[in-house]
Amino acid sequence: GEDVEQSLFLSVREGDSSVINCTYTDSSSTYLYWYKQEPGAGLQLLTYIFSNMDMKQDQRLTVLLNKKDKHLSLRIADTQTGDSAIYFCAEFLYNTDKLIFGTGTRLQVFP
Amino acid sequence: EAQVTQNPRYLITVTGKKLTVTCSQNMNHEYMSWYRQDPGLGLRQIYYSMNVEVTDKGDVPEGYKVSRKEKRNFPLILESPSPNQTSLYFCASSDRENTGELFFGEGSRLTVL
Repeated sequence: GEDVEQSLFLSVREGDSSVINCTYTDSSSTYLYWYKQEPGAGLQLLTYIFSNMDMKQDQRLTVLLNKKDKHLSLRIADTQTGDSAIYFCAEFLYNTDKLIFGTGTRLQVFP
Repeated sequence: EAQVTQNPRYLITVTGKKLTVTCSQNMNHEYMSWYRQDPGLGLRQIYYSMNVEVTDKGDVPEGYKVSRKEKRNFPLILESPSPNQTSLYFCASSDRENTGELFFGEGSRLTVL
């Protein structure tokens, strides 16, 4: 099946870590992505991970992939108010050549 | 500057009045796509195009048309808009190489009364 699920909201205090979770159901995915959407703007690619990797770190961002459970997470260390946005996970399905987006998680960072 | 440009950014219209949302990219990408974003539903693909004169239906194509006469442009046409097409629309393009990153326009918020 083609279904990507995320929780809708996450609220964290500035300086804490944020963890945004995503589950997907299709094992044929090759790349998995995290996109960020700031208010009034389009989506921008934040980071990605290839399906044969378990972890990818990029400055404050850590992506973890658990292929067995079909679970993807994005950890943001030292969360800042500028990180407030909607975060979408997405998977690229090699067998259908489709990119499937999750429902998006709205991250709110409070002082 | 590499970008995807959509117009109009905001539009309020009435049921049945044909409208077109334009999309243009300057990155020479072959792949272009339209999505609509609705609360709780994420992004759903309307139509996509792998190259000039090649278009295919996405997950929610009903009520929409597209055309791809030139590589850079991919307009979205609503022949007879209805209130359930009130949404935020995004155009995106990709070269489908390497990571397959999608580049998005800033969105067009459409309200159909």
